[in-house]
Amino acid sequence: DVKVTQSSRYLVKRTGEKVFLECVQDMDHENMFWYRQDPGLGLRLIYFSYDVKMKEKGDIPEGYSVSREKKERFSLILESASTNQTSMYLCASSLSPGTFYGYTFGSGTRLTVV
Amino acid sequence: QKEVEQNSGPLSVPEGAIASLNCTYSDRGSQSFFWYRQYSGKSPELIMFIYSNGDKEDGRFTAQLNKASQYVSLLIRDSQPSDSATYLCAVSNEKLTFGTGTRLTIIP
Repeated sequence: DVKVTQSSRYLVKRTGEKVFLECVQDMDHENMFWYRQDPGLGLRLIYFSYDVKMKEKGDIPEGYSVSREKKERFSLILESASTNQTSMYLCASSLSPGTFYGYTFGSGTRLTVV
Repeated sequence: QKEVEQNSGPLSVPEGAIASLNCTYSDRGSQSFFWYRQYSGKSPELIMFIYSNGDKEDGRFTAQLNKASQYVSLLIRDSQPSDSATYLCAVSNEKLTFGTGTRLTIIP
């Protein structure tokens, strides 16, 4: 089974801090994604990457950046955390862009910004 | 209009009955359709996918797709309390777009 590992399950950060959320997958998938999930709003795509060094903005990229230096690792960066970035963050990976195989999700990081 | 729409629920179904979850989508070019189950506090887990019109069965789960009407549904037969979760519909063209989910509660 594909395993997608997110480094932290719960995280509490202060407003203005730089925050790194790490995601590692072990099945040589080209495609990786970062979502946030909020009640009533569902899953919203922040950034995605179809290859190393490649990144594309999703639907809500403002306030975030990403890094993909190695195929297995996709990092989400909050340059200056704000309270409205309190959310559940989910990383996912797939063999294709998603057309046939769907995505496998990590266990999520619940981030609280105070 | 949302790209993928689901009734948020909650949907309450007696144990042993059939639970029916529905989803409509707006992009006629969508090619693949997925159902994810998400337990409270956990991440989504893929349970079914369907690409062609008609029914696809896997154990107690049946996915139904009607591209002409742009809807996809999930039936859960012999519902169990462990089926209580939020079910997310996802639709793919280039990448997945998710609905906001339907919360299902199975009543013992």
